[in-house]
Amino acid sequence: DAGITQSPRYKITETGRQVTLMCHQTWSHSYMFWYRQDLGHGLRLIYYSAAADITDKGEVPDGYVVSRSKTENFPLTLESATRSQTSVYFCASSVRDSYNEQFFGPGTRLTVL
Amino acid sequence: AQKVTQAQTEISVVEKEDVTLDCVYETRDTTYYLFWYKQPPSGELVFLIRRNSFDEQNEISGRYSWNFQKSTSSFNFTITASQVVDSAVYFCALSEARGTGGFKTIFGAGTRLFVKA
Repeated sequence: DAGITQSPRYKITETGRQVTLMCHQTWSHSYMFWYRQDLGHGLRLIYYSAAADITDKGEVPDGYVVSRSKTENFPLTLESATRSQTSVYFCASSVRDSYNEQFFGPGTRLTVL
Repeated sequence: AQKVTQAQTEISVVEKEDVTLDCVYETRDTTYYLFWYKQPPSGELVFLIRRNSFDEQNEISGRYSWNFQKSTSSFNFTITASQVVDSAVYFCALSEARGTGGFKTIFGAGTRLFVKA
């Protein structure tokens, strides 16, 4: 199906474990983004990527790692999960840059115990 | 510093009422973009509108209208004759260029709108 997908949709893990959230888009959009959504904070940008092999930090990058070897995929890894990383994570893509609207995936609800 | 304030945390209205969601932003750039997104109970985020800093023309799309005023740094969103399906969290966002290249987007905390039948 066309669009932007995220997997898994729900994940429960334990403190200290490594977790990877997947994001896949079929539009060949250049830009991709990872946000986390927490009550009272809206969405905060974790990392973004302007193209394959080009990534940059957002507002809250600590504790996260990203890669983008292919245009269509943008995985987000929590190398050693902490309880403070319990959140809903949204992946998004955009045709060019932040001046264009972003298209969001359905979100991944991550719980770190 | 870049900032987006949505002072209304929750708003509750009765169907057919008009409702305005406020958005106030701060930026030092002269070139920037403002957005509104809708997040219905199902959880996905849906783009509603984009406005650049040089276009202060108000926009109307069906029951939705947006009032952009640079003088007050506001980009307010009005729903006319609200419907139950309008119940959602609405986010205002600001995008501006970084000094070092690239860009950044800041979202407001969101306003949760309840429309009662």
